[in-house]
Amino acid sequence: SAVISQKPSRDICQRGTSLTIQCQVDSQVTMMFWYRQQPGQSLTLIATANQGSEATYESGFVIDKFPISRPNLTFSTLTVSNMSPEDSSIYLCSVRRGSYNEQFFGPGTRLTVL
Amino acid sequence: GENVEQHPSTLSVQEGDSAVIKCTYSDSASNYFPWYKQELGKRPQLIIDIRSNVGEKKDQRIAVTLNKTAKHFSLHITETQPEDSAVYFCAAIGNQFYFGTGTSLTVIP
Repeated sequence: SAVISQKPSRDICQRGTSLTIQCQVDSQVTMMFWYRQQPGQSLTLIATANQGSEATYESGFVIDKFPISRPNLTFSTLTVSNMSPEDSSIYLCSVRRGSYNEQFFGPGTRLTVL
Repeated sequence: GENVEQHPSTLSVQEGDSAVIKCTYSDSASNYFPWYKQELGKRPQLIIDIRSNVGEKKDQRIAVTLNKTAKHFSLHITETQPEDSAVYFCAAIGNQFYFGTGTSLTVIP
């Protein structure tokens, strides 16, 4: 398994502001993943964060809106920029380990945008 | 495009009965099929998985079956208990990683 922590666990933000979410893993991993889970929905991959290179974004997600940092092999941040109520969601970081890429999730950050 | 279909979206069973959730995938490169349980307000937790070289796997009250030819896999929970109530997600993994749409299971005491 993997021990993954996220900060903050939840936040309520005003429209137009930005929030940076931090993710810390207990050991080094090559890739870290950021997911969004809207209420009652499945998990949607936002981007893959690689250490030492630009993040890879999925269709529908752009760097200007969701800038990502990956300064080392155990840490990543996701920023939700210029927020609107539609950004209200749970944001989860994740890592994959093992020969079959078993996936483990952080506890999530519950974001509410007013 | 490639995806995983999951059915049913909601499921209610009486305590002690069995629950079955089914998933269908389309990417023939998928070779690993995990199941996640997500309780309200918590993160998804891996509960069981199956590799493509295995047809069935069981862990106490939970079992998974895989039919690679038909590209179907299923989660079976027997003797359900109220604490089994949660949202369950399947996933199919190969070169890509696909999540199912989720099944909200309610076990009625």
